Amino acid sequence: QKEVEQNSGPLSVPEGAIASLNCTYSDRGSQSFFWYRQYSGKSPELIMFIYSNGDKEDGRFTAQLNKASQYVSLLIRDSQPSDSATYLCAVKAGGYQKVTFGTGTKLQVIP
Amino acid sequence: SAVISQKPSRDICQRGTSLTIQCQVDSQVTMMFWYRQQPGQSLTLIATANQGSEATYESGFVIDKFPISRPNLTFSTLTVSNMSPEDSSIYLCSVEDKGTNTDTQYFGPGTRLTVL
Repeated sequence: QKEVEQNSGPLSVPEGAIASLNCTYSDRGSQSFFWYRQYSGKSPELIMFIYSNGDKEDGRFTAQLNKASQYVSLLIRDSQPSDSATYLCAVKAGGYQKVTFGTGTKLQVIP
Repeated sequence: SAVISQKPSRDICQRGTSLTIQCQVDSQVTMMFWYRQQPGQSLTLIATANQGSEATYESGFVIDKFPISRPNLTFSTLTVSNMSPEDSSIYLCSVEDKGTNTDTQYFGPGTRLTVL
C-alpha cells in the first residue's frame, strides 16, 4: 500500500522564522510531488509541485526533493501568521495513477 | 489553473435521504475526482470520474452508495445515497489540469454535509 507520512504537529514557529515541513513516501515509483495548504474550513490550495531532485523556490517557499531517501520537504521563510494552516504533502506515481495524500502537518506561526 | 465551483456549498440533511452535489469546471478536463474529508482527517479518494465511462471507485466505496455522473468534460455529480450521520463530511471535487504540462490537481471549494 502506497503511503505518505507527515508529522501531524502542531508545528509552532515564531513570526519571521523558517518553518520546515517534512514528508516521506513509500512508493519508489513516485514521480510527482505536491504541497497543498489548507486553511480551516477551506479546500486545499496548491502551493508547489516538484518533479526533480533538488530544490525549487517560489517566493518564500522552497520545496526540496530527495528521491533516494524518499523524502520531500517544504521550507517557508519569513513565516507569517497568515501561513498558519495545515500543509498536505501529496505524491503521484505518474501517468493515470492517483494522488496519495498525507495526513497533513498543522503549522502555527506565533506573532 | 481551472476554476471549479460546487453546489451546494453546505447542506443539512435527514438520515435516509440523498443529496446530489454538482461540480462545474470552466474548462474541459479529462479526469475529475471526488474526495471526502472527515473532520480533522486528510483527503480520501472516493472515485475517479472520466467522461464516457463508468466511474472507478476506491476500496470501501460503492456505486450504490455514491453514484457518479460525468455527462461531459466540464461537469460531474456525486450523489450520497441513503445518508447516515457517518456520511457527515466535506465532499470535494478535484480536476487534473494538464494545461500547463503538469499533472497537478486543483480542488473545488467543497460541500459541507451534515446528516442528522
